[in-house]
Amino acid sequence: GAVVSQHPSRVICKSGTSVKIECRSLDFQATTMFWYRQFPKKSLMLMATSNEGSKATYEQGVEKDKFLINHASLTLSTLTVTSAHPEDSSFYICSARDIEGQVPYEQYFGPGTRLTVT
Amino acid sequence: AQSVSQHNHHVILSEAASLELGCNYSYGGTVNLFWYVQYPGQHLQLLLKYFSGDPLVKGIKGFEAEFIKSKFSFNLRKPSVQWSDTAEYFCAVNPKTSYDKVIFGPGTSLSVIP
Repeated sequence: GAVVSQHPSRVICKSGTSVKIECRSLDFQATTMFWYRQFPKKSLMLMATSNEGSKATYEQGVEKDKFLINHASLTLSTLTVTSAHPEDSSFYICSARDIEGQVPYEQYFGPGTRLTVT
Repeated sequence: AQSVSQHNHHVILSEAASLELGCNYSYGGTVNLFWYVQYPGQHLQLLLKYFSGDPLVKGIKGFEAEFIKSKFSFNLRKPSVQWSDTAEYFCAVNPKTSYDKVIFGPGTSLSVIP
């Protein structure tokens, strides 16, 4: 099946710094990628939809200036958490939609990135 | 607002017991439905999906789910669970008017005791 990778898998950063998380579709092209946040013992919350070559669409309540998303190619989307605070500590998961897949396109999930802000 | 609810937060079963995890959604239109599983330390994987047709869908590892439109439900079942089924299970809904948006339920943690 389709594989999505994320890098890094874990990152610890100091409060006030920025962190970049990469999401790659390894064996398929993805015009659309999604970024989710998963809190402990809770479900996935969609943060934004990332479209290749255009601006991301953010969900209500998600600060677009804090969570910068770039989707520069059909296989790579990045999420940058700017000026990180301890409350940004979470598990960030990306998914990618296979443009060759059946309708509605199935989303394939990455393994997630554990961000800890100290 | 569209939402997905799952009946149980945590389920504990003995091996060979039967499993049914409830899922209900609130959306008046046509939907696509999914069950995802997240094994400990692993990423989300698709168990099964319903797009149209036969409301009883079969997925991987012996799981099945039934879509009951009148009840807005998509319950997951397995006749005999194994220890390896211990995982977090998420029901998800994709309104057909919005290809992109997938709304996840809060998840049910399943623990299977050998």
